[in-house]
Amino acid sequence: KAGVTQTPRYLIKTRGQQVTLSCSPISGHRSVSWYQQTPGQGLQFLFEYFSETQRNKGNFPGRFSGRQFSNSRSEMNVSTLELGDSALYLCASSATVNYGYTFGSGTRLTVV
Amino acid sequence: GENVEQHPSTLSVQEGDSAVIKCTYSDSASNYFPWYKQELGKRPQLIIDIRSNVGEKKDQRIAVTLNKTAKHFSLHITETQPEDSAVYFCADKTSYDKVIFGPGTSLSVIP
Repeated sequence: KAGVTQTPRYLIKTRGQQVTLSCSPISGHRSVSWYQQTPGQGLQFLFEYFSETQRNKGNFPGRFSGRQFSNSRSEMNVSTLELGDSALYLCASSATVNYGYTFGSGTRLTVV
Repeated sequence: GENVEQHPSTLSVQEGDSAVIKCTYSDSASNYFPWYKQELGKRPQLIIDIRSNVGEKKDQRIAVTLNKTAKHFSLHITETQPEDSAVYFCADKTSYDKVIFGPGTSLSVIP
């Protein structure tokens, strides 16, 4: 059974640019959540999707957005990148909203 | 607001000793409490979880206890081994179904 796949693994972008990250959940998992991980802030919740609907959103500015497709794959987009957006972005999937996550390996975003 | 406190932030134990990490949550309606282990450079992995209708759960050397009245839950690792060295995160699924993570505990097991 394939795990959670995130692409790309690494990204370097310039301030002001935008970026799109992709996440393919485990087959059959309908819930996808996104987290930002930084050394000082731990795992910060970005959003959660279930059956193409955003169920929850964390305390991030509107520059951070996401969506989920009918095949449960999810994307997140960050526009007008800032240096502080440099982080590891982790995607996690679960069969339903009441079960533990399986995390992907993450996308390491560096903004220069 | 939604908040999970986790203590201690760092913990060093001798191999074979026990380690205990405690988390406190704020939402009294929270109903699911997972623990994740993240080794250096790797993804977090679910190691054990507990639901609000259960007071304790064990899986070999690890156990989790939940005190709903005090709104705290703890991870217990017995007979620690060097491969237990990692960052451990507790999490809490709130009444709004958000999963909020604690800040993490860096555990070092000294051989």
